[in-house]
Amino acid sequence: DAKTTQPNSMESNEEEPVHLPCNHSTISGTDYIHWYRQLPSQGPEYVIHGLTSNVNNRMASLAIAEDRKSSTLILHRATLRDAAVYYCILRDVSETSGSRLTFGEGTQLTVNP
Amino acid sequence: DAGITQSPRHKVTETGTPVTLRCHQTENHRYMYWYRQDPGHGLRLIHYSYGVKDTDKGEVSDGYSVSRSKTEDFLLTLESATSSQTSVYFCAISSSERSTDTQYFGPGTRLTVL
Repeated sequence: DAKTTQPNSMESNEEEPVHLPCNHSTISGTDYIHWYRQLPSQGPEYVIHGLTSNVNNRMASLAIAEDRKSSTLILHRATLRDAAVYYCILRDVSETSGSRLTFGEGTQLTVNP
Repeated sequence: DAGITQSPRHKVTETGTPVTLRCHQTENHRYMYWYRQDPGHGLRLIHYSYGVKDTDKGEVSDGYSVSRSKTEDFLLTLESATSSQTSVYFCAISSSERSTDTQYFGPGTRLTVL
């Protein structure tokens, strides 16, 4: 599986936008970029995914670089509830990997009141 | 929230004893997964199931076995627990293995092996 690189930690202030970066320089043409987050003492939850175009949903936006070697998860107005570990994950369609998620260590986001 | 429950939520056991963790879903999803999470690490896949009685190994399957006799239940068994299996265990489900599909996670089981 292609590898992703994320900063270990980031800080933000409440109600300000947050940009969480992810580098994936070895991404293949069939890899989708997924983001999950894990709130304290909970299981991970899906945030958003994309292939080439930028994506928006009610939780966040995903900006994907034109060469697809990096992406950025954007939280438009951080709240205290957004404090979590954010994981950037690549998923491909190969038969060997199936639908497994390969988690890295993610980015710990701290939101200051 | 997806209907996934895990039991027990917390368990303390002794080295050498067998332990079974249960994952139950009400979503009728075909795929089910067991992951473990250790401090400072992301989740790692132990085993997964792609249907009733159909299972396969993940990246850290040694010391673990699984069974799926019904769509809704996926059991993880530690035949003889060791201290290295102290971890938080998460179950997940998905409706397909398409790379666009979402996995939904349970609340986790915290297992301590003394």
